[in-house]
This record gives sequence, structure tokens and C-alpha cells, in this order.
Amino acid sequence: QLQLQESGPGLVKPSETLSLTCTVSGGSISSSSYYWGWIRQPPGKGLEWIGSIYYSGSTYYNPSLKSRVTISVDTSKNQFSLKLSSVTAADTAVYYCARYIAPDLLSAFDIWGQGTMVTVSS
Amino acid sequence: EIVMTQSPATLSVSPGERATLSCRASQSVSSNLAWYQQKPGQAPRLLIYGASTRATGIPARFSGSGSGTEFTLTISSLQSEDFAVYYCQQYNNWPSFGQGTKVEIK
Repeated sequence: QLQLQESGPGLVKPSETLSLTCTVSGGSISSSSYYWGWIRQPPGKGLEWIGSIYYSGSTYYNPSLKSRVTISVDTSKNQFSLKLSSVTAADTAVYYCARYIAPDLLSAFDIWGQGTMVTVSS
Repeated sequence: EIVMTQSPATLSVSPGERATLSCRASQSVSSNLAWYQQKPGQAPRLLIYGASTRATGIPARFSGSGSGTEFTLTISSLQSEDFAVYYCQQYNNWPSFGQGTKVEIK
């Protein structure tokens, strides 16, 4: 059974870079041709897609965040990662990693990590 | 950007009753529409994709309909575990979510 788990610092200072990793277990990130994504949810608010990556390394970013986002994949560790630079309090949120239900960017997210809360504060 | 608008913001329903949730897209998304359920402190759970296909393990009381810009999620007979927030999401373009509908106990 495929599982995703986010990890990383829970507190980041303003103007610094937020770094999170999603570890995939119960299956190989590269053996199946799936896309993987990052989604966030500010406290008490809705969901926002941050970006997605294919196991080969092709990336797709939300235009509103594109200048600050980098997503990468490490198939040897069965992980993919998120970096968000120049963070402000507005980046405080629960960050989720997720898998697309089909090997197609035009598909829904069927498997989600439990989420990790990241607070931006000095 | 495709803007997704959900209505109502809050729906008060008695257990056993039917709940109907709406989602409208600012432009056509074909059938590239998903519905998620989220409970407090939990990740979203995929209910419906392709506008009307139930995800694995989702009970038959959940059904989705619509295409283009107008979509509906129907819960035929609300169970206690169904009280939650529901989000629609389009994936016809880069993904965007609605603001959610909270289904609460009446």
C-alpha cells in the first residue's frame, strides 16, 4: 500500500527558504509513470496547488508561486522535495504531498501524505 | 487561472437526509473535476474524479454529476461520518480548488 510522508522544519524565518521532503513507501517513485504534487492549506483556509513533478524530473509550477518554487526528485531515495524561497507569514500553512491517480497531469490526487505544518515567524 | 466557486459555504443537514453541493468553474473544465472530503486535522480524501467516477472504497451514497462549468456532489443519505468540508478541484488546466462547503449537523 503506497504511503507518503512529509518531513522538514516546522518553523522557518521570514525571507528564508522553506524545504520539505516527501518520502514514498510501499512502491517505487520511478517504477510507475506517475506525477507527484505539493499542495498547501493555510490555517482555516482552502487548498492551493504549489506544483508537480514527474519521476523523470519534469516540473510544473503554479504561476503565482513559480518564481519562488523548486521541486525536485531523488529516485534513489524514493523522495521528492519542495523548496520555497523568500517566505513570508502568508506561506504559513499545512503542506501536503500527493500522488496523481493516473500517469497523467490531467488527473486528481488520490493518495495524500498526512501533511506537515510550517509556520513562518521570526 | 480557472476559478472554482462552491455553494453554499455551509450546509446544515440532518442525518439520513440528502445533501447537494454545487461547484461552478469560471470556464469549461470538461469532466476534469474531482471532489474531496476533509475532516479536521486530516488530509483531503478523494471521493469523485472525472466528475462522476467514485474513487476506490467510496460508498455508493456519494455521487457526482455535471460537465463543462456546473457540477454537483450528492450525498444521498448523510451518515454521521459524512459531516466534513468538501472541496471541488478542476484539473483541466493547472489544478485549482474551490473554497469548500462545510456540511454540518442540523
